[in-house]
Amino acid sequence: QVLLVQSGSELKKPGASVKISCKASGYSFTGYAINWVRQAPGQGLEWMGWINTDTGNPTYAQGFTGRFVFSLDTSVNTAYLQIISLKSEDTAVYFCARFLSVSQILDPWGQGTLVTVSS
Amino acid sequence: SYELTQPPSVSVSPGQTARITCSGDALPKEHAYWYQQKPGQAPVVVMYKGSERPSGIPERFSGSSSGTTVTLTISGVQAEDEADYHCKSVDRSGNVVFGGGTKLTVL
Repeated sequence: QVLLVQSGSELKKPGASVKISCKASGYSFTGYAINWVRQAPGQGLEWMGWINTDTGNPTYAQGFTGRFVFSLDTSVNTAYLQIISLKSEDTAVYFCARFLSVSQILDPWGQGTLVTVSS
Repeated sequence: SYELTQPPSVSVSPGQTARITCSGDALPKEHAYWYQQKPGQAPVVVMYKGSERPSGIPERFSGSSSGTTVTLTISGVQAEDEADYHCKSVDRSGNVVFGGGTKLTVL
């Protein structure tokens, strides 16, 4: 069974950093890119970018450069999203999702990680 | 920046047909993808490349296009179809874009 399992909810203060993990199982991790998607409370989905799991090369969407870092540890089939210098507007659920290049769909998705930024 | 426009909400009674639209200048040349998201859950794809239905998705889900608008149609809506529906495509630079999402309410 193909699964992406994300780390648990985080409560952080403004200015702190957070690192979310996305552990893959049931398929060849380096064969499929991982995308990251943000969903602010009550809002729609926002594409953050993706990371090539073969080369480790990240691509960031407009608005997600500078404070957002995608990384990998292929030895444990895990992708990471780090957010630096957290702001209150970073409060959201963050999803990872596998990208299937033939159909170009995101499937499956991780269960989501809620990051709350509050003083 | 490129935008995909969806109606915020659509309401239908059980058994009726729901149509959820998504408009964007690059559609339908750049394919549309539809994701269903139920409260507290991750999105699940219900339509890809405009009108292709993934395995396991009921036949009552279908996709079509007219001009620069794509439509997700749910025929014979069931209570379990109540969810948020997000359309997704790419801009001319290949960047992924999501619409604002449409809340489908089954009355």
